[in-house]
Amino acid sequence: DAGVTQSPTHLIKTRGQQVTLRCSPKSGHDTVSWYQQALGQGPQFIFQYYEEEERQRGNFPDRFSGHQFPNYSSELNVNALLLGDSALYLCASSLSAGRSDTQYFGPGTRLTVL
Amino acid sequence: GNSVTQMEGPVTLSEEAFLTINCTYTATGYPSLFWYVQYPGEGLQLLLKATKADDKGSNKGFEATYRKETTSFHLEKGSVQVSDSAVYFCALVRSTDSWGKLQFGAGTQVVVTP
Repeated sequence: DAGVTQSPTHLIKTRGQQVTLRCSPKSGHDTVSWYQQALGQGPQFIFQYYEEEERQRGNFPDRFSGHQFPNYSSELNVNALLLGDSALYLCASSLSAGRSDTQYFGPGTRLTVL
Repeated sequence: GNSVTQMEGPVTLSEEAFLTINCTYTATGYPSLFWYVQYPGEGLQLLLKATKADDKGSNKGFEATYRKETTSFHLEKGSVQVSDSAVYFCALVRSTDSWGKLQFGAGTQVVVTP
């Protein structure tokens, strides 16, 4: 059973560019959450998708947007990249995430903005 | 302010030593509490969780007890191995959150030497 997969593994962009990160959830999961983990810090919640809709959003600007497809996979898009967007981006999946449900994380995409 | 506060690392100890990582939280009601572990170069893995006061989560020799009176969820292991070297994150989901938005502490790096 494949776990959560993310692509690409690493990415290097320059300021002002746009980037798209991809996530495939664990089999049977319908909810995808995205987190940003800056170096040396804990992950910060970006947003969560369920039934192709953004269900909840953290304190991130509109430059961060996402999408969920009918097969539950998801994309994270970041426009007008800033140096501060350099981080590990983690995708987590769950089955209709509730307060105590387990979220399974992928290995992450390491984004470097130069 | 921070919802989850962890002891700063790195914590360095010898194999077979006793490990404690302190975690305290700020939240109303009864949040769900989690410990995640991140091995070098990998995403996060759920280690254990507890969803109500006095619950004890346990896995792979690790334990943590949900203490409402002290708002704490300290992680312990009686005899660590070199393979336990990783970064450990304490996290919570607020009782008012229906969708499982995880709020993480800053993480505690643990280094176990032979």
